[in-house]
Amino acid sequence: GAGVSQSPSNKVTEKGKDVELRCDPISGHTALYWYRQSLGQGLEFLIYFQGNSAPDKSGLPSDRFSAERTGGSVSTLTIQRTQQEDSAVYLCASSFGSGGQETQYFGPGTRLLVL
Amino acid sequence: AQKITQTQPGMFVQEKEAVTLDCTYDTSDPSYGLFWYKQPSSGEMIFLIYQGSYDQQNATEGRYSLNFQKARKSANLVISASQLGDSAMYFCAMRETGGFKTIFGAGTRLFVKA
Repeated sequence: GAGVSQSPSNKVTEKGKDVELRCDPISGHTALYWYRQSLGQGLEFLIYFQGNSAPDKSGLPSDRFSAERTGGSVSTLTIQRTQQEDSAVYLCASSFGSGGQETQYFGPGTRLLVL
Repeated sequence: AQKITQTQPGMFVQEKEAVTLDCTYDTSDPSYGLFWYKQPSSGEMIFLIYQGSYDQQNATEGRYSLNFQKARKSANLVISASQLGDSAMYFCAMRETGGFKTIFGAGTRLFVKA
């Protein structure tokens, strides 16, 4: 079946503008994660959704960042009033469950550049 | 607190030789999972191999094997018979069972020489 998809693949925006990044998880996967990867760095956890439970937002770096997941499937990460330090690759992953052994499958990422 | 350490920022290996990428971790939870991912220059994260903390045997997936030494809290990735296509960033990751947050190491960039 299809893997995790993300759109857009690349986004260039001006400082101060809002951006929306979309993630389509693998069908049937109940868990969805957002990560940020700055240039040459590892992955930074942002937010986690599991089924219909309240998301864990503990990784969001500021209140300019928010995310929602509609119908337990597609997720949107919104960054308001973008700053240059928001430039990074934003990766989405999904897994069948959220136990310790569940493998996360990643999308191709959205490369965000804030000018 | 959970922590993943990858001490090799870059590694070189000759094509067809084996290479070991180091990973050490820290956790107080007795139950956890360890993962290795590959990230080629195209950017996607590709799952390679998984090891559970209670697994008695080291995990293997084709040319990939995980050298799991629980007492030393190390989970090194061994790639046998390296190929040019193995050139990529490699990330070690850990998640505690019952938790959801996966912690990633800083990564090791592997260069395979022809």
